[in-house]
Amino acid sequence: GENVEQHPSTLSVQEGDSAVIKCTYSDSASNYFPWYKQELGKGPQLIIDIRSNVGEKKDQRIAVTLNKTAKHFSLHITETQPEDSAVYFCAAENFGNEKLTFGTGTRLTIIP
Amino acid sequence: DSGVTQTPKHLITATGQRVTLRCSPRSGDLSVYWYQQSLDQGLQFLIQYYNGEERAKGNILERFSAQQFPDLHSELNLSSLELGDSALYFCASSVAGVTDTQYFGPGTRLTVL
Repeated sequence: GENVEQHPSTLSVQEGDSAVIKCTYSDSASNYFPWYKQELGKGPQLIIDIRSNVGEKKDQRIAVTLNKTAKHFSLHITETQPEDSAVYFCAAENFGNEKLTFGTGTRLTIIP
Repeated sequence: DSGVTQTPKHLITATGQRVTLRCSPRSGDLSVYWYQQSLDQGLQFLIQYYNGEERAKGNILERFSAQQFPDLHSELNLSSLELGDSALYFCASSVAGVTDTQYFGPGTRLTVL
């Protein structure tokens, strides 16, 4: 089955700097890659996703890049703000398997 | 607020017991997913239902079962509970398939003593 690895497990950045979280996946047939943000005491919330026919997607301060050859995708957050502090999860899905496999999460802390 | 509701918020029970967790999906969503989140295992997919039918199965134990009712709400039944079943259980819903945005509920925290 699919295996998703996520790095780093913790990340601290100064407010205003950029943060990058990386994930690799094992199943070359995977074609949908969402990113979720989980704040303390809440359920995960989708922040951005990318499909295999696209190499990059941007939404304001958040961007995701996908390298299908290398089987890795990354989340980029620019101009970080205190409210970006949370746990971020990447995930991968193989259309037809109908299930998301999640990475182990990255705890992002923004230092004011 | 995602529009997905889960009850109860917290549940404390003893080993060997049985509990039922309830989820109401967003209005219009046909798919419901159940996930288990524990500190050492991360977020694990358990099972998906689509319009009342089981659609996909993940790492769900035989002691666990789920169903989706005609009004599309879903229940996750956990029986013969063990200490290791203590975790956060999330329900998510989407319009149809897994590549549609999944909206997560606030979760049920289960503690088995």
